[in-house]
Amino acid sequence: EPEVTQTPSHQVTQMGQEVILRCVPISNHLYFYWYRQILGQKVEFLVSFYNNEISEKSEIFDDQFSVERPDGSNFTLKIRSTKLEDSAMYFCASEPDGYQPQHFGDGTRLSIL
Amino acid sequence: GESVGLHLPTLSVQEGDNSIINCAYSNSASDYFIWYKQESGKGPQFIIDIRSNMDKRQGQRVTVLLNKTVKHLSLQIAATQPGDSAVYFCADQVDRDDKIIFGKGTRLHILP
Repeated sequence: EPEVTQTPSHQVTQMGQEVILRCVPISNHLYFYWYRQILGQKVEFLVSFYNNEISEKSEIFDDQFSVERPDGSNFTLKIRSTKLEDSAMYFCASEPDGYQPQHFGDGTRLSIL
Repeated sequence: GESVGLHLPTLSVQEGDNSIINCAYSNSASDYFIWYKQESGKGPQFIIDIRSNMDKRQGQRVTVLLNKTVKHLSLQIAATQPGDSAVYFCADQVDRDDKIIFGKGTRLHILP
């Protein structure tokens, strides 16, 4: 069964550094999402992306965050200047058209030192 | 506003018994509801979904019940197995292709 893949599985970065999290969504999916989960808490929506543009973003997704789909397969989340509070699991999800469930990757654990 | 919450943070069930995990949602505009399972170190894994025009949907060993009158959603797992140990999240979407709003999760613990 096709799946969403994310790399790296764990990223350790110094505060203030830029980080790029990478995702390969399922190939025939049209809608792409980033979520994050702080340890022990619920999964929170960050941003949705469709037709090469952001559809919706949460208040968490401030000017330090950006997303890109540079080619037909990758979907990236960039944090320009990381803060300690950015430490979390970041999940990528993709969805085909219609009322279909979003499929999640296994996440990237981001640790900011 | 939009919110999805779970009544119990932890549920312990004897292996072989049935499990029922409950969820309350607040947004009456929500049209699509999903249950996800999250195992340690993994991403949310889709279990079962239901549209607001239905009140019950069955899967292989799982059943989801939706009561729109009281905005309540439940997940029933039949003959619970050790592999069912995980955190279970209910989630909702207002419209298709919309963001998912997750609840806090219920940890299901299977007793031998």
